[in-house]
Amino acid sequence: KAGVTQTPRYLIKTRGQQVTLSCSPISGHRSVSWYQQTPGQGLQFLFEYFSETQRNKGNFPGRFSGRQFSNSRSEMNVSTLELGDSALYLCASNFIGGGSYNEQFFGPGTRLTVL
Amino acid sequence: SQQGEEDPQALSIQEGENATMNCSYKTSINNLQWYRQNSGRGLVHLILIRSNEREKHSGRLRVTLDTSKKSSSLLITASRAADTASYFCATENTGGYQKVTFGTGTKLQVIP
Repeated sequence: KAGVTQTPRYLIKTRGQQVTLSCSPISGHRSVSWYQQTPGQGLQFLFEYFSETQRNKGNFPGRFSGRQFSNSRSEMNVSTLELGDSALYLCASNFIGGGSYNEQFFGPGTRLTVL
Repeated sequence: SQQGEEDPQALSIQEGENATMNCSYKTSINNLQWYRQNSGRGLVHLILIRSNEREKHSGRLRVTLDTSKKSSSLLITASRAADTASYFCATENTGGYQKVTFGTGTKLQVIP
């Protein structure tokens, strides 16, 4: 079974631009979560999608948004990029999304650099 | 904000020794999980312990959970150089806005 894939792996943008990151979960997984990892703030939860609906949301500004498609693939978008958005963005998929979280399978991440 | 805080932040041991990492959290949880991350890559799930469990083993890993103290520990026995990585605890919270919260991580170095 293929693992979680994220594209692109590396991205360089300038302040004010917007960016879209993509995540393909493991086949059969309907829950996709996004995390931001920075040296200063560590790993922070952005949001989680299940069956095309956002189920949970972290404490991030509205510039961060996401969506999930009917095939469970997910995208996250960051508009009006700021220097502080430079981070490793991780996507994780989860088979059992109905109730409790179980093992999350992480992708390799997208390294975003904002200049 | 981080719910969990790992202690110590960094740990350096010799191969063959045991490594113990601790995690403290603040709110009620459904479960607590430990993950490993190798240098800037994705995380790998190690073990999950539910709130009604006190101890769990998986290979060389032993996890304990004390919900009264809101703390957990991860013990890696007979460590190997390949165990060098950052280790994170993650809690699934029972309610509120943010369901899953990761700790600050412990950076483990195992010296061959």
